[in-house]
Amino acid sequence: AQKITQTQPGMFVQEKEAVTLDCTYDTSDQSYGLFWYKQPSSGEMIFLIYQGSYDEQNATEGRYSLNFQKARKSANLVISASQLGDSAMYFCAMREGRFSDYKLSFGAGTTVTVRA
Amino acid sequence: NAGVMQNPRHLVRRRGQEARLRCSPMKGHSHVYWYRQLPEEGLKFMVYLQKENIIDESGMPKERFSAEFPKEGPSILRIQQVVRGDSAAYFCASSARLATQIYNEQFFGPGTRLTVL
Repeated sequence: AQKITQTQPGMFVQEKEAVTLDCTYDTSDQSYGLFWYKQPSSGEMIFLIYQGSYDEQNATEGRYSLNFQKARKSANLVISASQLGDSAMYFCAMREGRFSDYKLSFGAGTTVTVRA
Repeated sequence: NAGVMQNPRHLVRRRGQEARLRCSPMKGHSHVYWYRQLPEEGLKFMVYLQKENIIDESGMPKERFSAEFPKEGPSILRIQQVVRGDSAAYFCASSARLATQIYNEQFFGPGTRLTVL
């Protein structure tokens, strides 16, 4: 079974608008971590934001925020005020086990294209 | 403080040749992870190593693939007798296990793009 599901293969967004990228996950662990990474066309993986399963508040990092709905097992990424440089592939990932720092499971990714 | 380094960035091999991919973790990091990204897919875990030890190789193909992280020097992912299906981006990540950290982030290298002709 897929641990991470990203249902949007590609999205277009107008510059300066917000965009929400969907991510649902599947785990039976009580303790887990959720990550979002950005992969621009140059190929590197850039860490954006992290949410722990026990964190009561949604994580925020600058223009990135994570809409964490534990009961629905969703961890959507919101990018506010989109910029042209946000055009990239975005991956949702999960690590199961709070103090285990390996074996990230990735979704298939969502391509975001920001239009001027 | 240099990040995770991988070389080469691009590697072209003919079928049947060997591919060696190198990864130098961030300074102070002793945990290394290899992931593979097939075209149009997300990254998939291959192997987790600590210095001189393979901790988890559950994602590694049983044949032709091997990994090591010697006491001195970079981690090496070795693919023998490459086939076209091995064409992918191979990412290395490293982390430092600190007891006080709530979470441990893996810092990724820029990847090695392997093309098998």
